[in-house]
Amino acid sequence: AQSVTQLDSQVPVFEEAPVELRCNYSSSVSVYLFWYVQYPNQGLQLLLKYLSGSTLVESINGFEAEFNKSQTSFHLRKPSVHISDTAEYFCAVTDGGSQGNLIFGKGTKLSVKP
Amino acid sequence: KAGVTQTPRYLIKTRGQQVTLSCSPISGHRSVSWYQQTPGQGLQFLFEYFSETQRNKGNFPGRFSGRQFSNSRSEMNVSTLELGDSALYLCASSLGATDGATLHFGNGTRLTVT
Repeated sequence: AQSVTQLDSQVPVFEEAPVELRCNYSSSVSVYLFWYVQYPNQGLQLLLKYLSGSTLVESINGFEAEFNKSQTSFHLRKPSVHISDTAEYFCAVTDGGSQGNLIFGKGTKLSVKP
Repeated sequence: KAGVTQTPRYLIKTRGQQVTLSCSPISGHRSVSWYQQTPGQGLQFLFEYFSETQRNKGNFPGRFSGRQFSNSRSEMNVSTLELGDSALYLCASSLGATDGATLHFGNGTRLTVT
């Protein structure tokens, strides 16, 4: 069965500093990988996803993630964070046969301080 | 387009009672998935419906059930509530036709069991 490990439960960082949120998944023949963000009292919103093709995927608000098959990782990065990026971030994985069934990591709370 | 709508937002029930949660997906989306979110277990998949058929099911007891109507709206029912059922229940919809389709989440129903 698939599993996802988010190595850091909390990441404090100062505004305009770079950040990396780490995610590792259990190996599978083929996987689809996602990063979702959750703001307080809200549902999850898709940040970016990897299905196939280029291993580097980007979101519209400056985040990027790189699919590394050999290390089974899909780390999320942003070169300069804003206060508004404060939220909880979830990495998720699914294989081709599990429509709608995402396996989520435990989440990483990103706290951006002024 | 309107997003995924979940009702009610908050619910307080007593042990032993049953509860029904409702989810209206984005117009045109035929897949609806349900997730339970708790601080201890994180996000866990309950089940997924596509065109009124349960396509996938997570590892939850039979007290948790769901259904989907012809207009794609979905309901989730929990019978004989236990204290451990207190959680945020999230519904997500997607087009569902292809692997890796993006899930669009509602803001959830927060259930408290006393």
